[in-house]
Parts: sequence; C-alpha cells; structure tokens
Amino acid sequence: QKEVEQNSGPLSVPEGAIASLNCTYSDRGSQSFFWYRQYSGKSPELIMFIYSNGDKEDGRFTAQLNKASQYVSLLIRDSQPSDSATYLCARIAGGTSYGKLTFGQGTILTVHP
Amino acid sequence: GAVVSQHPSWVICKSGTSVKIECRSLDFQATTMFWYRQFPKQSLMLMATSNEGSKATYEQGVEKDKFLINHASLTLSTLTVTSAHPEDSSFYICSARLRFEAFFGQGTRLTVV
Repeated sequence: QKEVEQNSGPLSVPEGAIASLNCTYSDRGSQSFFWYRQYSGKSPELIMFIYSNGDKEDGRFTAQLNKASQYVSLLIRDSQPSDSATYLCARIAGGTSYGKLTFGQGTILTVHP
Repeated sequence: GAVVSQHPSWVICKSGTSVKIECRSLDFQATTMFWYRQFPKQSLMLMATSNEGSKATYEQGVEKDKFLINHASLTLSTLTVTSAHPEDSSFYICSARLRFEAFFGQGTRLTVV
C-alpha cells in the first residue's frame, strides 16, 4: 500500500462549481498534511497545510482532515479555469526525517468554462 | 513566504558529462534541504536529504555515487548528476523547510542527449 494515495483523475468540473479532491494515507502516525498545486512544467506551490482534525478554510479552499479514517480532502469553491492543474497531497515525516515530504501521485483537475 | 532559488532552470547536456544544480535559500537558513525528481506525468519522488555539514541521506534505489550532494553552507545545497545518461532526463526540484512549510525551488529540467 502506498503511503499517500490519490485518485489520478482527471477530474473535470464546470466553472463556478466545487471541486473535491481526496487523499488517503497509510501511516496512522502521520501528523501534518499539505496540499500543493502544480502547473505543468513548474514546481509545486503550497495551497495549505492541516494538522488538526476537522476543517481549515483559506479563501476558496477548505482542507479537511479525518485522522480516524486516514483521509484528507481539499475543496475548491467557485472553481476557476486558472485552478486547472495537478493537485498533490503530501504528508510530512517526523523524527529524524523531519521535513521529508511523501507525495501522492497527484490529481489532475480541469475546470472548463 | 520564504524564497528558494534553484539554478539553472533548464540544462541540456551530452551523455557522459556531469551537471551541477544549485539550490539556495535566499532569506533563511536551511540546515536541511531535500532533492526530488519528477518524471513526466508522475509525482515527486524524494531522492535524498541534504544535511549541512554532513553526508546526505539517500532514498532506497538512488545511487549516491551518481547523484552527488554537497551542503557546504546553511543556504546552499548542490546536486551533481555525474556521467549523465538519457534516462536521467527529468525535472529535479529542491526544497527547504521553514517551520511548517516546505518551500520549493523553481525546478531544473535536465535533458541528456
């Protein structure tokens, strides 16, 4: 089982809709999770991170973490064509590997006008 | 946010030659940096953890003699791909950790011909 799993998609939503991206992880000891957006040929850029159970909102983005179900999600409200990208879920290692990110395979999101 | 600068952004080299990629943290000190590799349509895979003043830690399957990492100062880590071959062609990305966030360099597109 992969440490971090995502549905590779592609996920297609109309402009203005809510896009829902999902991620599961295998290590129950995982503490913090990150959502990155990556445009083709570019480095990932951080959208938000979450480490507490529940929801965390930042503008049009809401991250949700459920540690009991080992599930992380990202909701994008009022999706825009500029949101079309690959979204990467990542967990961060602790201890001696502190700072090391393990990425899921990414979900391709397409927002069509 | 903090800035991580990676150079060059792209490089084309002949098979058998070596290529050096630099990763600098511009406005903070990074005792640890990370080097990732990303093949087309795949996610980021950690290659190694670069530790200032000590040897890098390589992930399983990554040849340490081929991918030389030097972290001589708190703001600079270098990755040298030695005796590059076409199969080394990839997108190489460095990152540095600052508190809860991991900041990525712009990435280096390496093409070996």
